[in-house]
Amino acid sequence: DAGVTQSPTHLIKTRGQQVTLRCSPKSGHDTVSWYQQALGQGPQFIFQYYEEEERQRGNFPDRFSGHQFPNYSSELNVNALLLGDSALYLCASSRQKTDTQYFGPGTRLTVL
Amino acid sequence: RKEVEQDPGPFNVPEGATVAFNCTYSNSASQSFFWYRQDCRKEPKLLMSVYSSGNEDGRFTAQLNRASQYISLLIRDSKLSDSATYLCVVIKSGGSYIPTFGRGTSLIVHP
Repeated sequence: DAGVTQSPTHLIKTRGQQVTLRCSPKSGHDTVSWYQQALGQGPQFIFQYYEEEERQRGNFPDRFSGHQFPNYSSELNVNALLLGDSALYLCASSRQKTDTQYFGPGTRLTVL
Repeated sequence: RKEVEQDPGPFNVPEGATVAFNCTYSNSASQSFFWYRQDCRKEPKLLMSVYSSGNEDGRFTAQLNRASQYISLLIRDSKLSDSATYLCVVIKSGGSYIPTFGRGTSLIVHP
């Protein structure tokens, strides 16, 4: 039973560029949430996708957007990258919106 | 005041010790609580949910104190492999389901 997978594992970008991160949920899960984790901090909730729509959103600017596909996989897009966007980006999936979440290994983004 | 607060530590304890962490939350409407464990440069992994009546899983015991708005995690007979960062998560009730993580408490178990 495959767990949550994310790609790529590492990414280096420069300021002003755009990035797309990908997530495949655990088998049987239909909800995907995205988090940003800066060094030494806990994960911060970005948004949650369920039935291909953004259902909840944390305190992140519109530069952060996402998408969920019919197979429940999801993408996180970040435009106009800032140095402060450097972080570990985690995807978590669950069976329903309020069920226990399981995390993927994350994508480490470095913005230079 | 932050919504969810944890003492970042580190807590340095010898093998076999008992150690406890607290996590305070500010929103009294909070409904669901969890403890996650995160190893260095890895993803968080669910350790246990926290129920109003308290719950135990082997050497780990989690408790909720709604009156004082905190949850706790007790680890008995610490093992070297327990060394990690322990994150608490609080979810508010109502239509908005936004998990709020604490910054984590670092535990180092030494021989």
